[in-house]
Amino acid sequence: DTEVTQTPKHLVMGMTNKKSLKCEQHMGHRAMYWYKQKAKKPPELMFVYSYEKLSINESVPSRFSPECPNSSLLNLHLHALQPEDSALYLCASSQALLIGGFEQFFGPGTRLTVL
Amino acid sequence: GENVEQHPSTLSVQEGDSAVIKCTYSDSASNYFPWYKQELGKRPQLIIDIRSNVGEKKDQRIAVTLNKTAKHFSLHITETQPEDSAVYFCAASLATGTASKLTFGTGTRLQVTL
Repeated sequence: DTEVTQTPKHLVMGMTNKKSLKCEQHMGHRAMYWYKQKAKKPPELMFVYSYEKLSINESVPSRFSPECPNSSLLNLHLHALQPEDSALYLCASSQALLIGGFEQFFGPGTRLTVL
Repeated sequence: GENVEQHPSTLSVQEGDSAVIKCTYSDSASNYFPWYKQELGKRPQLIIDIRSNVGEKKDQRIAVTLNKTAKHFSLHITETQPEDSAVYFCAASLATGTASKLTFGTGTRLQVTL
């Protein structure tokens, strides 16, 4: 399996809802990433997990809560979001940097709309 | 932190012509420079990349050059085809501990006309 998969493809939620985004890869990659992409803008890094530990948090508001339950899975828990959080949320994975991992492979994204 | 600038923001070329997109980065510690192509509604797809110990890399119609001294890198597409139309992002990767941070340029919308 050489792909990163994400579910759901689309998500509409209210500001009081709690939802989760899921990302999965079976390439043996030990680094996983969450990015946020607004329309006509580049992806912006949110979180990086390396060997299932949170390595980088780009000062993301606490209403976004990442979780890496195992080396293949990455979740993003959402709570009390704002309409401006509506965006495409992309997951990516790569080999661990310690063994020369550079290339990041992106999933198809979850299109999130917050009402 | 790293800052990546990308030019031009839009580029229109005729089929068969060449296209060049240029990027500059700010942090001399960045050591990996990928280029992604993103079609409308799709994921970013890696099309070519270059590491800091290499000056040039080519893959069929696409090539990337890197000038570490000037902190410039460029994407060259020759013999453009309509299916090359997309948004192209350059990026610079900075290693931090056991992970790497990828900072993207602002993107170039390439349109290849018949």
